[in-house]
Formats: sequence, structure tokens, C-alpha cells
Amino acid sequence: DQQVKQNSPSLSVQEGRISILNCDYTNSMFDYFLWYKKYPAEGPTFLISISSIKDKNEDGRFTVFLNKSAKHLSLHIVPSQPGDSAVYFCAELINQAGTALIFGKGTTLSVSS
Amino acid sequence: NAGVTQTPKFQVLKTGQSMTLQCAQDMNHEYMSWYRQDPGMGLRLIHYSVGAGITDQGEVPNGYNVSRSTTEDFPLRLLLAAPSQTSVYFCASSYPGGEQFFGPGTRLTVL
Repeated sequence: DQQVKQNSPSLSVQEGRISILNCDYTNSMFDYFLWYKKYPAEGPTFLISISSIKDKNEDGRFTVFLNKSAKHLSLHIVPSQPGDSAVYFCAELINQAGTALIFGKGTTLSVSS
Repeated sequence: NAGVTQTPKFQVLKTGQSMTLQCAQDMNHEYMSWYRQDPGMGLRLIHYSVGAGITDQGEVPNGYNVSRSTTEDFPLRLLLAAPSQTSVYFCASSYPGGEQFFGPGTRLTVL
């Protein structure tokens, strides 16, 4: 049974500091993970992904780290900005077709100026 | 390029009523999916499609029907609405192996 767990429902950081959002998983079949960002009253938007062939992927201020032995991934945002305040979902690909994702419950990030 | 569009944005139903949530995409994506999001929960997959005429069940398919007659459209039907189906519904589309693009959602309340 595949599960993705985000154990921190919320995180508050100051502008300019680092935000670290964490995600744990069990029994991954494809070792392909994605992070989505969601603002209120909008659909989720894709942020960054990582596959098992890498342990790190960077895109501007966003970096995702994958630790396969610990079944853990994290999203780092540096420097954090007030516009980053949103709900962040960790998701795992659960079919080879790429059509199905299983999501964590999300972490609400608040960045104060 | 409108991306993924969903209608209506809001809907209130009475128990036992039926309705169709519409989803359309103009990116020529082969894959489309429906998710629901409940308070304090992540998104859960209801049904998905890998192309016109092909659909399959996701994590929480009971109470919902789908069909895919064209590449662009993927409607979600509730035949006998129940209060447990009160949720926010998101439609998504993607190319094979690509990230999913989500619509803005439909907020459904079943009384």
C-alpha cells in the first residue's frame, strides 16, 4: 500500500530564510516524486519533480532532495518570499502511464515579511 | 491557450440529484484525471483516462462515472449525489510522463 505522508501541517518562516518541507513515503514502485503548490481557490500547480536516478534536483530557488534509503524527500526554498505562502503537496507517481498521483495531506507555508 | 477549464465553479445539489462536472483542455494532452480534495486531505484520484475511449478507476471511484469521447473533454458524472460527495473537484491533464496541469476546481455541496 503506497502512502505519502507530510507530517507537518504548517510551517512559518521569515522572508529571506530557508523553508524546508518534508515528505515520507512507503513502498514506492516508480520512485518518482513531485511537489505541487496550491493557492486558495486555485488548482495545484507543478513546482518540481525528482526521480530515483537523482538525489537532488534544482530549479531556481527550489531544490528537492531524495533520500531513498530513508524513504524521505524534502523541498528547500531559498530565499523564501511572501509570495511562496501557499499549501505544498508532495505527490508520488503510482502508475507507469503517469496518469495517477497519490498526494500527501499538504503543508501550509506562511512566509512573513 | 486556456489550459484546463472546469465548469461550474460552484454547485449545490440535494441528495439524490444528478449532475455532470465539465472539464476541458486545449493543450492536446492525452491523459486526463479527476481528483477530489476534502478538508485537511490531499487530493485523491477518482478516475483517469489515457486517451479517447479509455478510462480507468482511481483510488475513490464509487459514486462517479466518466467517459472520454474526445481528447479535449473529460466529464465527471454524479448519478445519485450524496453528502459524502461534498468536496472540491479538480480535473488535470498531461502528456505521457509529463507533469499534470490542474484546472481551478469545482466546489460541490450536497445537502
